[in-house]
Amino acid sequence: GAVVSQHPSWVICKSGTSVKIECRSLDFQATTMFWYRQFPKQSLMLMATSNEGSKATYEQGVEKDKFLINHASLTLSTLTVTSAHPEDSSFYICSALDSNQPQHFGDGTRLSIL
Amino acid sequence: GQNIDQPTEMTATEGAIVQINCTYQTSGFNGLFWYQQHAGEAPTFLSYNVLDGLEEKGRFSSFLSRSKGYSYLLLKELQMKDSASYLCAVNSNSGNTPLVFGKGTRLSVIA
Repeated sequence: GAVVSQHPSWVICKSGTSVKIECRSLDFQATTMFWYRQFPKQSLMLMATSNEGSKATYEQGVEKDKFLINHASLTLSTLTVTSAHPEDSSFYICSALDSNQPQHFGDGTRLSIL
Repeated sequence: GQNIDQPTEMTATEGAIVQINCTYQTSGFNGLFWYQQHAGEAPTFLSYNVLDGLEEKGRFSSFLSRSKGYSYLLLKELQMKDSASYLCAVNSNSGNTPLVFGKGTRLSVIA
């Protein structure tokens, strides 16, 4: 069964709206979670590393004020896309590390900004 | 820097065998992963190699040569449902570091 739950799976909203995506680790504690973005027919691009209890580490070119990450507990990380615009439309995927297992991915969130 | 190369696209026939190659140059090495990703879905874990040699799991096998910076994923008895992208990813460091992903190989299985 799924070990990482991501919600929502699909979002359609108007330009300027802020959207929150949740990533939960099930049955294990994840001190570290990763957020990726994937455009059509392209590979996964790491956006940021989310660490429980501390600030996220963002990859070069990713605006931290645009993509707010909160990792308030050992099982939950959230990504908020603030004031989303059409160019933010993408497939957002989280993953979580379990010390004894390979990196597990959530089911992804397809974000469409009109 | 970090670099992972794999072919962009491959086509194979149902029932056949296909080998997807991956070469990597990373600052460190702590294991290589293969993931399968169907269109519009998240990647799912297929295999993990940290030592040289072949790991077999049903119809899928993965091979690693650390000295050559090389891996391959072997798919046997291909089925139509195997049409997907296959991602090679390297853990370049120990600890809680993200995987470095290749751009993926889109495999099309034809009748």
